[in-house]
Amino acid sequence: KAGVTQTPRYLIKTRGQQVTLSCSPISGHRSVSWYQQTPGQGLQFLFEYFSETQRNKGNFPGRFSGRQFSNSRSEMNVSTLELGDSALYLCASSLKTSGEQFFGPGTRLTVL
Amino acid sequence: GENVEQHPSTLSVQEGDSAVIKCTYSDSASNYFPWYKQELGKRPQLIIDIRSNVGEKKDQRIAVTLNKTAKHFSLHITETQPEDSAVYFCAALGRDDKIIFGKGTRLHILP
Repeated sequence: KAGVTQTPRYLIKTRGQQVTLSCSPISGHRSVSWYQQTPGQGLQFLFEYFSETQRNKGNFPGRFSGRQFSNSRSEMNVSTLELGDSALYLCASSLKTSGEQFFGPGTRLTVL
Repeated sequence: GENVEQHPSTLSVQEGDSAVIKCTYSDSASNYFPWYKQELGKRPQLIIDIRSNVGEKKDQRIAVTLNKTAKHFSLHITETQPEDSAVYFCAALGRDDKIIFGKGTRLHILP
C-alpha cells in the first residue's frame, strides 16, 4: 500500500497570505489528523477528520481550518499567515481514531 | 485541558546502556498510549503502544510500562545502539478520542 502523501513538501509565503496544504491518506483509512511541529513544542494537534466530519479540534485560532473529502483526502487552510506559523505540518491517517497513526512526510511552511 | 508531560527533553546514554523516558498524563479516561520515534528529517513512526488493560508490554529491546493509578507510563530501551538516536514522543488518547503528544525527548547514543 502506498503511504500517506502530502503536498506540497515545501512552501514559502509572506505574512498576511493564506495557504492550503493537502494530505492523501493510506487507502482505506478514514481518519486524518493534522499536527504542527515546531522545535521545542513537539507535535501539537490541530484537528482530526473522520468520514468528512471534524471530530476533534486542538487549541489553535480560527485561522486554521480543514476539511475532508469523500475519498478521505484532507486539506488544511491557514489564513492571514503570521511569522509564528512557520513549522512542519504533518498529517497522519489511521483506520480508526484509536489506532496506529501513519504519518506523512510533512509540509514545511516558511512565513517571511 | 488534557496534558501529557514528557521527561527528560534530552537524554544522552553510552552505547549498550539503557535509556528510560517518562511521561505523565492528566486525563484519567486515557486508555491508549503509543510511542513514536522520529529520526532526523523523517516522519514519526510508531514503535510500541500499550492499552490501559495491561501494565507492561515488550518488543525485543523496547518495553513500555503503565501505572494507571499514578497516571504515568515509561519507555525503556535496553542495550542501546547508534540507530536508537532519535526524538521519541509519547502520547495519550483521552476522552473524545483526542490524542495528545508529549513534547519529545531527544535521545543521543554516545559511542
